[in-house]
Amino acid sequence: DIQMTQSPSSLSASVGDRVTITCRASQSISSYLNWYQQKPGKAPKLLIYAASSLQSGVPSRFSGSGSGTDFTLTISSLQPEDFATYYCQQSYSTSITFGQGTRLEIK
Amino acid sequence: EVQLVESGGGLVQPGGSLRLSCAASGFTFSSYWMHWVRQAPGKGLVWVSRINSDGSSTSYADSVKGRFTISRDNAKNTLYLQMNSLRAEDTAVYYCARDTYSSGWYLSLWGQGTLVTVSS
Repeated sequence: DIQMTQSPSSLSASVGDRVTITCRASQSISSYLNWYQQKPGKAPKLLIYAASSLQSGVPSRFSGSGSGTDFTLTISSLQPEDFATYYCQQSYSTSITFGQGTRLEIK
Repeated sequence: EVQLVESGGGLVQPGGSLRLSCAASGFTFSSYWMHWVRQAPGKGLVWVSRINSDGSSTSYADSVKGRFTISRDNAKNTLYLQMNSLRAEDTAVYYCARDTYSSGWYLSLWGQGTLVTVSS
């Protein structure tokens, strides 16, 4: 299976900050990388697909980049509703795998 | 409204069985591959299984292979997960999710989840 490793595992930031979360794959996955946001007690929500495409309805402060093995999710200016856990997920393999998650907390 | 609604979760003893259902509405269910993803309490997301649009092809995570069976009834717009020989480590919220392709595969729609607790 392809292993996905996110860093950091947790992050404290303030409203208005620029935040970057990284995701590394154990082998090249081209651009088959997606990002999800999950709030406590809720289902995950798709933010970014195919590494850099913004899902419809998602604010433009979210952006994704990367290809091959290294990817980033950037939030340009944190809003109160952005404090949540973020997961990357590869779809290169039919056995999809997720990163372990990055918990974004209020400083 | 486009949505997925899971049901069938509950408390079951180790070694027992449970069948989860996922009712789809608001879209052409028979056109989409579907997945089950689970999340143990306080832990991350883990893929469990997927099925193609007509049900002819399935795959499973190694941790559930031989114990879980994914299936679908396109006439009823419903996805299923039959879980047998349940273990404590299967305790989790189980989500069904719709697969979508546009420049890559991604899980574009998720249900609200159903909690499965395996305990004596």
